[in-house]
Amino acid sequence: GAVVSQHPSRVICKSGTSVKIECRSLDFQATTMFWYRQFPKKSLMLMATSNEGSKATYEQGVEKDKFLINHASLTLSTLTVTSAHPEDSSFYICSATIQGSYSYEQYFGPGTRLTVT
Amino acid sequence: KQEVTQIPAALSVPEGENLVLNCSFTDSAIYNLQWFRQDPGKGLTSLLLIQSSQREQTSGRLNASLDKSSGRSTLYIAASQPGDSATYLCAVTTDSWGKLQFGAGTQVVVTP
Repeated sequence: GAVVSQHPSRVICKSGTSVKIECRSLDFQATTMFWYRQFPKKSLMLMATSNEGSKATYEQGVEKDKFLINHASLTLSTLTVTSAHPEDSSFYICSATIQGSYSYEQYFGPGTRLTVT
Repeated sequence: KQEVTQIPAALSVPEGENLVLNCSFTDSAIYNLQWFRQDPGKGLTSLLLIQSSQREQTSGRLNASLDKSSGRSTLYIAASQPGDSATYLCAVTTDSWGKLQFGAGTQVVVTP
């Protein structure tokens, strides 16, 4: 149980285009979903926290107009990288916590590798 | 601000040896501490979660301890195998939304 999927797993896009990444909780309802970014050989950096039906809360230094997050349902959150540039190339990972759970355990998706050319 | 540190940054051991990975955090006001494994280019696999009220958790060859007052956790992996080669990350939950603060990880190589 507690499976989180991400789609696509890999995406290559041209500079200036927008890319949407989906994060789905497959067998549970997610109260909260998180989006992380990971640079090569570095740890995960939290970008934003999203709650279903609310605006996402962005971490300091993360451009909310560039990284649009929509949490439309209890099983789906999307991250849209707008007007992507090569410096946005990275590994993006989402996670989710189970609605009603007080353990605060996060379940992670497999990640999406974004390459902007 | 919570800071999580993992020592060592890299570790190489021969197969069969026990692994000891250390994690320290600066603010003891945590909800829980999690240990994860990450293989190259992959997402995170949760290994163990220790609630703030617990002292340790065990799963198979893995054992993790938590000393909240001193801000330390240790992950022990017994009788290491080449398949244990990966990066191990620890993270603490810092608020009621479940926000995680990660350490930089320990890259482990187990040689046959």
